Amino acid sequence: EAGVAQSPRYKIIEKRQSVAFWCNPISGHATLYWYQQILGQGPKLLIQFQNNGVVDDSQLPKDRFSAERLKGVDSTLKIQPAKLEDSAVYLCASSLSLEEGGSYEQYFGPGTRLTVT
Amino acid sequence: KQEVTQIPAALSVPEGENLVLNCSFTDSAIYNLQWFRQDPGKGLTSLLLIQSSQREQTSGRLNASLDKSSGRSTLYIAASQPGDSATYLCAVYPEYGNKLVFGAGTILRVKS
Repeated sequence: EAGVAQSPRYKIIEKRQSVAFWCNPISGHATLYWYQQILGQGPKLLIQFQNNGVVDDSQLPKDRFSAERLKGVDSTLKIQPAKLEDSAVYLCASSLSLEEGGSYEQYFGPGTRLTVT
Repeated sequence: KQEVTQIPAALSVPEGENLVLNCSFTDSAIYNLQWFRQDPGKGLTSLLLIQSSQREQTSGRLNASLDKSSGRSTLYIAASQPGDSATYLCAVYPEYGNKLVFGAGTILRVKS
């Protein structure tokens, strides 16, 4: 079974530029998550999708961050314009809900390391 | 608001030692608790998941316990090896909510 795929793995941009990250979850997983992990901290949830609908985006800085999952499979996370404090690892994860016979166990991709200079 | 704390923040041990990593959470209403491993520059690898009705889970040299009523979990690593060096993260999935809440992690270094 293929795991969660993310690209790119690394990205360096200047402040005020825009950037986009891509995630493809495990096949059959309806729930997809984007996390931000700042160095030395645990991951923080930015947005959660159930199929192509947003379940929780309460911690997403909506003035600069956006995310979509149009066909309920892969997803993109965009930052525009980027700030220095956006430097972090962006992790994508997927899971099966209880209703789908799962246990909410989350499977993570390798992450994208973003550096904003 | 659920908060997760991990102690110690960092740990350095000689190879072969048995060790315990601690995780505590403030709200006992959880669906499950998950332990992850994170290598430098990499994503998270799930080690063990304990359902709220379970007391412990074992995988190889790893054993995780859960005391839901007291808001505590421990990850026991037997006969540690240099390859165990990584950051270990604890996370809980609340009953009333839908976001995994993480601790800041314990950085483990096993010296050969």
